[in-house]
Amino acid sequence: DQQVKQNSPSLSVQEGRISILNCDYTNSMFDYFLWYKKYPAEGPTFLISISSIKDKNEDGRFTVFLNKSAKHLSLHIVPSQPGDSAVYFCAAALGSNYKLTFGKGTLLTVNP
Amino acid sequence: NAGVTQTPKFQVLKTGQSMTLQCAQDMNHEYMSWYRQDPGMGLRLIHYSVGAGITDQGEVPNGYNVSRSTTEDFPLRLLSAAPSQTSVYFCASKDTTGSTEAFFGQGTRLTVV
Repeated sequence: DQQVKQNSPSLSVQEGRISILNCDYTNSMFDYFLWYKKYPAEGPTFLISISSIKDKNEDGRFTVFLNKSAKHLSLHIVPSQPGDSAVYFCAAALGSNYKLTFGKGTLLTVNP
Repeated sequence: NAGVTQTPKFQVLKTGQSMTLQCAQDMNHEYMSWYRQDPGMGLRLIHYSVGAGITDQGEVPNGYNVSRSTTEDFPLRLLSAAPSQTSVYFCASKDTTGSTEAFFGQGTRLTVV
């Protein structure tokens, strides 16, 4: 039973446009959500997070939106750059519990 | 500042062999964990530790052992390797402040033949 779902295995966008990556979760007890970015042959690197008490968090070109009633979060990248091409993982955590539950990832390709 | 260091980067084992994947962090983080990444499966938690001397099982612990004798090191042992353990293994660490950000190593690609 997959608790964190990324239903789009891949996404392709043009440079300068908006990239929207989606994530759904089933466990309503999750209260912290994170996005990680992963390049080939490297470990995942933290991108941005959001607490369940918020509905939006921004960091430069990256914004994460959380809709608790729909159990849905999304990552917006504006404007998209070719260097953003990577696999993006959505992850969820329970309070101070260190265990992260990951989605399967979405491969983002930003075309010049 | 090296962060999280994993060794080796690549390893080929024969079925039944044993080996230890090393993980070390220099950030004085209390939390450390091991994940495996398989194609189309995302990252799945194998074992984790909340401090020296304390370990617990994650989602997929079978076939793996861990110990945590120091804050810095968290080795993962495969007692008798099986082809199903072919995967990319990531070690991660995290501090005990309010942040939930975990820092990952570069991974160990393990092939069991």
